[in-house]
Amino acid sequence: EIVMTQSPATLSVSPGERATLSCRASQSLSSNLAWYQQKPGQAPRLLIYGASTRATGIPVRFSGSGSGTEFTLTISSLQSEDFAVYYCQQYNYWWTFGQGTKVEIK
Amino acid sequence: EVQLVESGGGLIQPGGSLRLSCAASGLTVSSNYMSWVRQAPGKGLEWVSIIYSGGHTYYADSVEGRFTISRDNSKNTLYLHMNNLGAEDTAVYYCATNGEGYFDYWGQGTLVTVSS
Repeated sequence: EIVMTQSPATLSVSPGERATLSCRASQSLSSNLAWYQQKPGQAPRLLIYGASTRATGIPVRFSGSGSGTEFTLTISSLQSEDFAVYYCQQYNYWWTFGQGTKVEIK
Repeated sequence: EVQLVESGGGLIQPGGSLRLSCAASGLTVSSNYMSWVRQAPGKGLEWVSIIYSGGHTYYADSVEGRFTISRDNSKNTLYLHMNNLGAEDTAVYYCATNGEGYFDYWGQGTLVTVSS
């Protein structure tokens, strides 16, 4: 099983600031990595696939980068609606998720 | 517009069985790769099972032999039959499409609580 490790567990950020979330895989994924946003009581929402491609309707302030085993999700200027939990997910071999990073208001 | 609507969750005793449904609109279930993903209360996401458009099915080790994924093409509906349920199966169960590996469309989820 490919283990996905996200850091930090919690990120405290002020509105308008930049947020950088990390995701590490236990083995190489090439670019087979996705990012999701989940708000309380809601289903996850696809943000990024292929490590860096924004899904339909996702604002440009969300960007993904990385390949192999190290990946990053950057939110360039946090808006109030961006405070949520973010998950990375690999689809290189079966499907596994990271444990999530909670982005909270500082 | 794609919509996935799950139903069938509820409170079930340990060792019991339950069938979840996922009614789809805006897409054809039989033409898509469809998965179930679950989330235990306060926890992360776990892939549970997939059915490919060709009919092949696969399961996470944690549910292998107890859960069965299926579909009814005439109803455009995906199912998850769950047997011998335990406390560890308590979760919100989502159906989702994952044709390219990532999960692009999700339902709203249905809560399964296994407790005596």
